[in-house]
Amino acid sequence: GAVVSQHPSWVICKSGTSVKIECRSLDFQATTMFWYRQFPKQSLMLMATSNEGSKATYEQGVEKDKFLINHASLTLSTLTVTSAHPEDSSFYICSARDMKGGSEQYFGPGTRLTVT
Amino acid sequence: ELKVEQNPLFLSMQEGKNYTIYCNYSTTSDRLYWYRQDPGKSLESLFVLLSNGAVKQEGRLMASLDTKARLSTLHITAAVHDLSATYFCAVGGTNAGKSTFGDGTTLTVKP
Repeated sequence: GAVVSQHPSWVICKSGTSVKIECRSLDFQATTMFWYRQFPKQSLMLMATSNEGSKATYEQGVEKDKFLINHASLTLSTLTVTSAHPEDSSFYICSARDMKGGSEQYFGPGTRLTVT
Repeated sequence: ELKVEQNPLFLSMQEGKNYTIYCNYSTTSDRLYWYRQDPGKSLESLFVLLSNGAVKQEGRLMASLDTKARLSTLHITAAVHDLSATYFCAVGGTNAGKSTFGDGTTLTVKP
């Protein structure tokens, strides 16, 4: 079945540094990937929609200069949290749609970011 | 703006009992998803409902969709402890656009 991986699965970084999270579709090609953030005991909040070969579409209130998204190929999207602060600590989850169509979103296992 | 409301948000039930989780949404949509999330984990897809009257069942879980009422239900039959998790519904945009998630229902099944 369709598998999405994320790397790293967890990361601890110091305040002010940048962190890159990778999201890969392993056995299918994805023209569209989604990035979510989830705080403890809350729902998923969509941050941005990532389209291969074009600029990401950010949701209202999400700083595009802080959360840099690159979707350089049909199997890879990256989210870079720049100048991270403790309030950026969260669980980041990506999902992908198969470019062949279908209704499913396939979710990655998530990346837990802790900023100290 | 699409709004998705789940209720209840918290559910504690005894093993062997039945219960239903409700998911209401505010605007027309052509797809409805149910997911399960265990603590510290990502989402596991349970059901995708694509048409009015759709009903899908897997084990002790059954999901249905009424697009006219803009309502989906997730029915739990004879609950067991392993079903303890948080369940999310999500409503998809048209043309495979982005999905909007409900707040989730945290289910605890007690022996």
